[in-house]
Amino acid sequence: EIVMTQSPATLSVSPGERATLSCRASQSVSTNLAWYQQKPGQAPRLLIYSASTRATGISARFSGSGSRTEFTLTISSLQSEDFAVYYCQQYNNWPYTFGQGTKVESK
Amino acid sequence: QVQLVESGGGVVQPGRSLRLSCAASGFTFSSYGMHWVRQAPGKGLEWVALLWYDGNNTYYADSVKGRFTISRDNSKNTLYLQMKSLRAEDTAVYYCARNSKYRSLHYFDYWGQGTLVTVSS
Repeated sequence: EIVMTQSPATLSVSPGERATLSCRASQSVSTNLAWYQQKPGQAPRLLIYSASTRATGISARFSGSGSRTEFTLTISSLQSEDFAVYYCQQYNNWPYTFGQGTKVESK
Repeated sequence: QVQLVESGGGVVQPGRSLRLSCAASGFTFSSYGMHWVRQAPGKGLEWVALLWYDGNNTYYADSVKGRFTISRDNSKNTLYLQMKSLRAEDTAVYYCARNSKYRSLHYFDYWGQGTLVTVSS
């Protein structure tokens, strides 16, 4: 099973600042990586797939990069609605696995 | 618009069974693979099971293999998860999620709102 490790666990950012979230895979997943956003009491929402492709309707504030074992989600200028938990997920190998999440909170 | 609505959750005793349903609308259900993903209270996401669009292939997480069965009725646009021999560690919100339009890329492009399953005596 591929283990996905996200860092940091919590990121404190002021509105308007840039947020950078990391995700590391225990072995190569090529670019078969997705990012999701989850707000309290809500289902996750797809943000990014194939490591760097924004999903339909997702703001250009969100960008993804990386390949093989190292990936990054960047939120260019944090808005109030962006405070949430973010998960990465690999789909290169079954079973599909998620990172433990990064909580982005207001500083 | 795509809608996924789960139902069937509740409180169940350890060792008992429960069946979840997910009603789909707003897309051609029979053309998409479907997943169940769960989230224990205050925890992260765990993929549970995948069923291909045509019902011919299934995949399960080791934690549920042999106890859970994913199925679908394409005539009713509904996905199911039959859960048997439930354990306390199966307590979670269960989400159904649509596979991406790329059949071989197993990420989740739409999610339901989830249904809570609590396993407790």
